[in-house]
Amino acid sequence: QKEVEQDPGPLSVPEGAIVSLNCTYSNSAFQYFMWYRQYSRKGPELLMYTYSSGNKEDGRFTAQVDKSSKYISLFIRDSQPSDSATYLCAMTRGGGADGLTFGKGTHLIIQP
Amino acid sequence: DTAVSQTPKYLVTQMGNDKSIKCEQNLGHDTMYWYKQDSKKFLKIMFSYNNKELIINETVPNRFSPKSPDKAHLNLHINSLELGDSAVYFCASSQGSTYTQYFGPGTRLTVL
Repeated sequence: QKEVEQDPGPLSVPEGAIVSLNCTYSNSAFQYFMWYRQYSRKGPELLMYTYSSGNKEDGRFTAQVDKSSKYISLFIRDSQPSDSATYLCAMTRGGGADGLTFGKGTHLIIQP
Repeated sequence: DTAVSQTPKYLVTQMGNDKSIKCEQNLGHDTMYWYKQDSKKFLKIMFSYNNKELIINETVPNRFSPKSPDKAHLNLHINSLELGDSAVYFCASSQGSTYTQYFGPGTRLTVL
């Protein structure tokens, strides 16, 4: 079993729809959870950061973490064609120079 | 201003050569990282480095070595390049206990 599982998609939705992206993980030591957006041939761009369980909202984006289920989600409201990209979940235990463990990414397409 | 920059953006070379990729961050962060993104877009940590410790992912061949002349720079040296080294290499940085990492634009390495 991989440490972080993420459906690669592609996920295609019409403009204006609510998008739900999610990841499951197996390592209960993970405490810090992030979502990155990556456009084609660009570097990952940090979207959301959450510590431990709970919700966090930033504009049209909401991140949720459920540590008891080892499940994290990213919701995008009022989706726009410019949201079309690959969305990567990432997580870390924290402490020292700890690298991020990424999911494989979900390719999202917002149809105009 | 570019927060995390990498040079070169593209690198094409022959098998067996030795090459370097440079990374600089102007965020004042104390920790830097190298990641490899393979042809399937999976992003995997290679090295984490701050002034106290170097953490090497055990799966990384010893042909790869990070070199840090100062806190703002972390270069990646690769000896005896192989076909399987072809990938996009990303540099990232973070500060202390925030664990949120900021990525550079990537270096696309092609080994012929």
